[in-house]
Amino acid sequence: GAGVSQSPRYKVAKRGQDVALRCDPISGHVSLFWYQQALGQGPEFLTYFQNEAQLDKSGLPSDRFFAERPEGSVSTLKIQRTQQEDSAVYLCASSLVGTSGKAGELFFGEGSRLTVL
Amino acid sequence: GQNIDQPTEMTATEGAIVQINCTYQTSGFNGLFWYQQHAGEAPTFLSYNVLDGLEEKGRFSSFLSRSKGYSYLLLKELQMKDSASYLCAVIRGNTPLVFGKGTRLSVIA
Repeated sequence: GAGVSQSPRYKVAKRGQDVALRCDPISGHVSLFWYQQALGQGPEFLTYFQNEAQLDKSGLPSDRFFAERPEGSVSTLKIQRTQQEDSAVYLCASSLVGTSGKAGELFFGEGSRLTVL
Repeated sequence: GQNIDQPTEMTATEGAIVQINCTYQTSGFNGLFWYQQHAGEAPTFLSYNVLDGLEEKGRFSSFLSRSKGYSYLLLKELQMKDSASYLCAVIRGNTPLVFGKGTRLSVIA
């Protein structure tokens, strides 16, 4: 597609439910990133893929968070047993190559806003 | 995020000039980005600096001093549509982009 597409745009979950957030990056982009953005804050890094390989997952806040990109294109961020502190906007971004230099410019989707009650 | 500091909020008048500063830790520095983010929307790319000096692009300019760990974004001829958050982000080595908390700019008539 023309841009990064995320779904759902809005998700309300009861505490303890599992959620899955989908990201469809720009066609041909090798790298895919997930960020978490709390209200009034900057995006916080969660995890990063190069093709299907998850190269960095150091930002995932707990083992309840899991991300995959099995065919090197679409990615899913899964949150198990959601907690209220998981409420945030989850931004997906892709880049043409890796993380270095101007070529590492990130193209963001509009995000999935998760509210945990 | 990770020692990237920028003011939380700024207010400026339509037609004026505003400068948004960003300071960061210099270790492993490999480039600095500025992004604009309107409320409820995706961040969008504004500028990239890796060498010292000023990069000008229309009404927006970005400056970098690597030795001082300092950058600023300069917005001229402010318009109401410039009301948004401005995010400073740094690449260190080959690690993913790290963002500051953002500066929320309000442009008033």
